[in-house]
Amino acid sequence: DAKTTQPNSMESNEEEPVHLPCNHSTISGTDYIHWYRQLPSQGPEYVIHGLTSNVNNRMASLAIAEDRKSSTLILHRATLRDAAVYYCILRVNNDMRFGAGTRLTVKP
Amino acid sequence: DARVTQTPRHKVTEMGQEVTMRCQPILGHNTVFWYRQTMMQGLELLAYFRNRAPLDDSGMPKDRFSAEMPDATLATLKIQPSEPRDSAVYFCASGDGQQGLYSPLHFGNGTRLTVT
Repeated sequence: DAKTTQPNSMESNEEEPVHLPCNHSTISGTDYIHWYRQLPSQGPEYVIHGLTSNVNNRMASLAIAEDRKSSTLILHRATLRDAAVYYCILRVNNDMRFGAGTRLTVKP
Repeated sequence: DARVTQTPRHKVTEMGQEVTMRCQPILGHNTVFWYRQTMMQGLELLAYFRNRAPLDDSGMPKDRFSAEMPDATLATLKIQPSEPRDSAVYFCASGDGQQGLYSPLHFGNGTRLTVT
């Protein structure tokens, strides 16, 4: 199974950008890179996904390395409500398995 | 906003009892996933369905767990008999396969199961 590696935890200050890294050196050509986040006492929430090109949506941006062996989720301006566990996942067909994720703490 | 609905939100039961958890996927979604989350193991994929047919249930303990979709609006996860080690939060998620195989998954808020 293709796997991802993320830092266990990161801290950010409110209203500053946050860059959450993910390594996926064994990614194959058909694997999509998905990011989800989980706020306390809630189910995971979709953030963004991409294949090769960088992607932007209202929540975040996804920067994908040219060799696709790593990616970075960018929150342009962190708020206290962005404190969550962020998961980077390689999705193969219908198979979507979560790793341990990165716990993001946002300081006021 | 359309939501995935899971019932019950909380369930406390005694070891050996049958437990049934229910999930109502978003109307029109044709893929359904079941996950289990514990502090020790994190989020584990138990099973997933497409068009009500099970595609993979290799993550489930076969002897006691079963997952079904009686119709397009209901997915069930049953544990019989339940054991204390089954205590966890169980999440259901659905996706719109019509939008493409990699459309986002929408998660419910989970069923917190405690087996004593």
